[in-house]
Amino acid sequence: AQSVTQPDIHITVSEGASLELRCNYSYGATPYLFWYVQSPGQGLQLLLKYFSGDTLVQGIKGFEAEFKRSQSSFNLRKPSVHWSDAAEYFCAVGDTGGGNKLTFGTGTQLKVEL
Amino acid sequence: NAGVMQNPRHLVRRRGQEARLRCSPMKGHSHVYWYRQLPEEGLKFMVYLQKENIIDESGMPKERFSAEFPKEGPSILRIQQVVRGDSAAYFCASSPTGILAGGPDTQYFGPGTRLTVL
Repeated sequence: AQSVTQPDIHITVSEGASLELRCNYSYGATPYLFWYVQSPGQGLQLLLKYFSGDTLVQGIKGFEAEFKRSQSSFNLRKPSVHWSDAAEYFCAVGDTGGGNKLTFGTGTQLKVEL
Repeated sequence: NAGVMQNPRHLVRRRGQEARLRCSPMKGHSHVYWYRQLPEEGLKFMVYLQKENIIDESGMPKERFSAEFPKEGPSILRIQQVVRGDSAAYFCASSPTGILAGGPDTQYFGPGTRLTVL
């Protein structure tokens, strides 16, 4: 069964600092990978996705993620964090076997210090 | 706004009552997914539906929960005889092609319905 691990429950960074959120997945084939962001009381917004091709994926709001098959990772990065980036971030793996369901990690809560 | 719409946004029910959650997919999308988010947890898949068909209900509790996506109108997630443990945020997502693509598809999420059971 597929699974996603986000080892950091909470992360605090200073505004302007760089950010890396970790995501490790378990899946038997080439995965479809996603990062979503959830602001308090809101739904999930898609930041970026990886299906195939270039392993460095660019997303919205200045975020990027790199797929590393050898490490089963899909870490999210941003070179300079803004206070408005404070939110919860979820990594997800998609079922490529036809079911199309997403399996989410437990999320990383990002706090930005001014 | 052509996004996924869910209503109500907040729903309060007493134990034993029924809860009905509605989801209208994005325009042009005919695949709907329901997820549940318990406090302090990530989202858990519940069910995947196409118009008039349940494709995957592997995440649905065996009792009290049901879902439908009729030919006309929104998708409905129904919880009968609610209990306190049903208190959660329920999110709906939609996608354009689902399993028909035979490949990757992207799900777009609604704002969620927050169910509180007293």
